[in-house]
Amino acid sequence: NAGVTQTPKFRVLKTGQSMTLLCAQDMNHEYMYWYRQDPGMGLRLIHYSVGEGTTAKGEVPDGYNVSRLKKQNFLLGLESAAPSQTSVYFCASKKLAEHTDTQYFGPGTRLTVL
Amino acid sequence: AQRVTQPEKLLSVFKGAPVELKCNYSYSGSPELFWYVQYSRQRLQLLLRHISRESIKGFTADLNKGETSFHLKKPFAQEEDSAMYYCARILGYNTDKLIFGTGTRLQVFP
Repeated sequence: NAGVTQTPKFRVLKTGQSMTLLCAQDMNHEYMYWYRQDPGMGLRLIHYSVGEGTTAKGEVPDGYNVSRLKKQNFLLGLESAAPSQTSVYFCASKKLAEHTDTQYFGPGTRLTVL
Repeated sequence: AQRVTQPEKLLSVFKGAPVELKCNYSYSGSPELFWYVQYSRQRLQLLLRHISRESIKGFTADLNKGETSFHLKKPFAQEEDSAMYYCARILGYNTDKLIFGTGTRLQVFP
């Protein structure tokens, strides 16, 4: 099992450019999440999904869109990148069965917006 | 709003010293609380959860409902404990969303 993988690992964008971050999990988990990690602010939830075809807003959704067309993939899109979106992005997944079970995290994507 | 507070950004100790990383949460019934750890250049991973009442890598955390705290403790710190530690709680049982504290960086000096 690869667990949770994220593509790409690093990316530099110019302001106004768009990009998509891919999260994939091979654990057949129902729940998937996108977080951003910023110094002094911890991890903040951007969007999440409780199943294929469903998505919902988290704590800081503005400027991002997501899609969950397949159960194993959760895409995070930036339509028009801004310097404030410079961050490390983490994807996580979790199985439905036990709500106190852990979320499994990906290795992160470091995004810089110039 | 439900919150998780970690008041210390940085905690520095010498090897062998006791460690206590503080975590307080806003009161809301029976919270489900976790400690996650991120070692250098590694992904975030679960360290322990209060419901399991377990000790992982020598760390323990007791839920104190009176003080609304879930402090992480270890009697004798090791250099390999140096990492970023996040306290988190479940927010929403239909979604299992987590809300994280801002994190505490633990530095253990030799």
